[in-house]
Amino acid sequence: SYVLTQPPSVSVAPGKTARITCGGNDIGTKSVHWYQQKPGQAPVLVIYYDNDRPSGIPERFSGSNSGNTATLTISRVEAGDEADYYCQVWHSSNNHVVFGGGTKLTVL
Amino acid sequence: VQLVESGGGLVQPGGSLRLSCTASGFTFSSFDMNWVRQAPGKGLEWVSYISSSGDTIYYGDSVKGRFTVSRDNAKNSLYLQMNSLRAEDTAVYYCARDPGDCSSTSCPPGDLDVWGQGTTVTVSS
Repeated sequence: SYVLTQPPSVSVAPGKTARITCGGNDIGTKSVHWYQQKPGQAPVLVIYYDNDRPSGIPERFSGSNSGNTATLTISRVEAGDEADYYCQVWHSSNNHVVFGGGTKLTVL
Repeated sequence: VQLVESGGGLVQPGGSLRLSCTASGFTFSSFDMNWVRQAPGKGLEWVSYISSSGDTIYYGDSVKGRFTVSRDNAKNSLYLQMNSLRAEDTAVYYCARDPGDCSSTSCPPGDLDVWGQGTTVTVSS
């Protein structure tokens, strides 16, 4: 099975840049999607197909994907960005949607 | 654009439950759909995918053979029949829409752009 590895937690000061990684074997050959989930709420799509932003998502959110690592970058972090973030891919070899374990972003 | 899940509840181990997801505000029959679950305090786990026509279905390893996904496009509804339930199936179950927004004419399962609020399933004696 295909495994996506995320750091359990990332901390960043307000106004700084947060980078959340998602590691997977040759993940650069796959399309990566990112979700934000706040406590008690459903996930929200923040980045799709590596680096596209849905309407309504601030330009501060961006993504990249190469080699064995995809990265979600949040610039000028705000208190409201504090949430859990999940990466997701489609693994065609066994027809599975795969989620990373999630990263808790803490704004100091 | 909205998805509303229902049918969750408390069920004994070995029991069955049928979840429903009702769509509104978009042409349900044009979109692939997924079920995703989240155990208490845990991360997201994909459960199942069904294509817009219902002719392509995939399951996660932990539910294959026990869960069955289906849809009724005339009723704008998605279903998840869950049999032989186990304690480890306890979770919030979300239905989610796949917008099919890849750059190709035929998209593999991709991102999930609309999610319901979730329905809670508790498996316990």
